[in-house]
Amino acid sequence: EPEVTQTPSHQVTQMGQEVILRCVPISNHLYFYWYRQILGQKVEFLVSFYNNEISEKSEIFDDQFSVERPDGSNFTLKIRSTKLEDSAMYFCASRPGQGTDTQYFGPGTRLTVL
Amino acid sequence: QKEVEQDPGPLSVPEGAIVSLNCTYSNSAFQYFMWYRQYSRKGPELLMYTYSSGNKEDGRFTAQVDKSSKYISLFIRDSQPSDSATYLCAMSGGQGGSEKLVFGKGTKLTVNP
Repeated sequence: EPEVTQTPSHQVTQMGQEVILRCVPISNHLYFYWYRQILGQKVEFLVSFYNNEISEKSEIFDDQFSVERPDGSNFTLKIRSTKLEDSAMYFCASRPGQGTDTQYFGPGTRLTVL
Repeated sequence: QKEVEQDPGPLSVPEGAIVSLNCTYSNSAFQYFMWYRQYSRKGPELLMYTYSSGNKEDGRFTAQVDKSSKYISLFIRDSQPSDSATYLCAMSGGQGGSEKLVFGKGTKLTVNP
C-alpha cells in the first residue's frame, strides 16, 4: 500500500541553524501539507501546497519557514534559523485531489533544537 | 471556546468492551470529519472519514456525525489490546472551504487483556 515517507526520522540541531525536513508524498497525490505536534499538544496545521505554490498557511508559518517541491517526488520544509520552540514532531501529509479531504500522514520527523 | 474539544482521557477498558470516543466543535462550517489513530511517536493513521452528518461503519468501527449538535463520535466494538493508542478527531472545510485539518487533542485509550 502506498505511503508517505519522511526523512530523517530524528534531527538534532543547534539553535540558529537551518534544517530541511524531507517528505515523499504518495505518488499521484496533488495536495501536500505540513503539520507539527509539540510534545503533549495538538497536531497543528502549518501549510498547504498545491500546483507549486502555497495555498494556505497558518500564523505559525512565518518568514523562517519555507516549503518547496524541488522535483516530482520530494516535498521539503525548511526552517531557516531554528529556535528552541521549534522542537516538535513534523508531519507531512498528502491528498489525492478533488472529491475527498482525506489526508494521509507520514511517520514524522522529530526535530530537537538544542 | 476552542475550535475542537476532545477529552484527553486517559480511558482504560477491558478487552471486548465497547468504546465511545467523542469530540465537540464550534465552527459550523466544518463539512469533513475524520478519526485518526496515533501510536506513540508515530504519524496519525486514518481510521474513518465522514462527509457531513450521518453514520459510517467499517468493521468494528462506527463514526457518527451530528452537525446540529456539533458533535462527532467514534465507537469501537469488541475492543482489542491492539486498539490501544491515542485517537484524534479532525475536521476541515471551515472558513472559505479551508482544507486544513483542525485536530482535537486526542484521547488516549488502553484496552486491557
